[in-house]
Amino acid sequence: DQQVKQNSPSLSVQEGRISILNCDYTNSMFDYFLWYKKYPAEGPTFLISISSIKDKNEDGRFTVFLNKSAKHLSLHIVPSQPGDSAVYFCAAIMGAQKLVFGQGTRLTINP
Amino acid sequence: DAGVIQSPRHEVTEMGQEVTLRCKPISGHNSLFWYRQTMMRGLELLIYFNNNVPIDDSGMPEDRFSAKMPNASFSTLKIQPSEPRDSAVYFCASRRLLAGLGGELFFGEGSRLTVL
Repeated sequence: DQQVKQNSPSLSVQEGRISILNCDYTNSMFDYFLWYKKYPAEGPTFLISISSIKDKNEDGRFTVFLNKSAKHLSLHIVPSQPGDSAVYFCAAIMGAQKLVFGQGTRLTINP
Repeated sequence: DAGVIQSPRHEVTEMGQEVTLRCKPISGHNSLFWYRQTMMRGLELLIYFNNNVPIDDSGMPEDRFSAKMPNASFSTLKIQPSEPRDSAVYFCASRRLLAGLGGELFFGEGSRLTVL
């Protein structure tokens, strides 16, 4: 039972363009959402988060959008840079409980 | 400050052998998670502890898997006996639980397990 889903296993974007990574969830009780970035042979690192009381959070080139009615969130990276090439995981949490992760999307930024 | 420390980084073993993975969380963190990364399921939660107490172990695949947290600075994940399908990268992560609110997770670098 996959409560958090990332339906695109991979995404390829031209350098300088916008990257949009998508994530869907099924549990309406989730109240906090996070994006993690993972390079090969390293652990995931926190990128950006959003509370369910907001619909947008921005941090430099990274913006996360939350659409609660659609149970959908997305991560926008603009402009995309070669160093952004990594696997991106979205995660959801309910209260003080466990973080549930999606399957990940491998983003490749082409020069 | 040291991050989450996992050992070993790589483990190659034969089917049927016992495997023990170790984790030292960040000092001051009181919540610890064990995840397994696979191609099909992404980051799959195995078990997590709050204040050294196991809260949810519903993700532990089988009785062959067990996890302990004897104190706030150490946890182990044990697989006995190991099988080839257990081959994966196992991540430990920790966070500071504040007043019942969840916080950002900090991950270790992972232990890559290969069972032949």
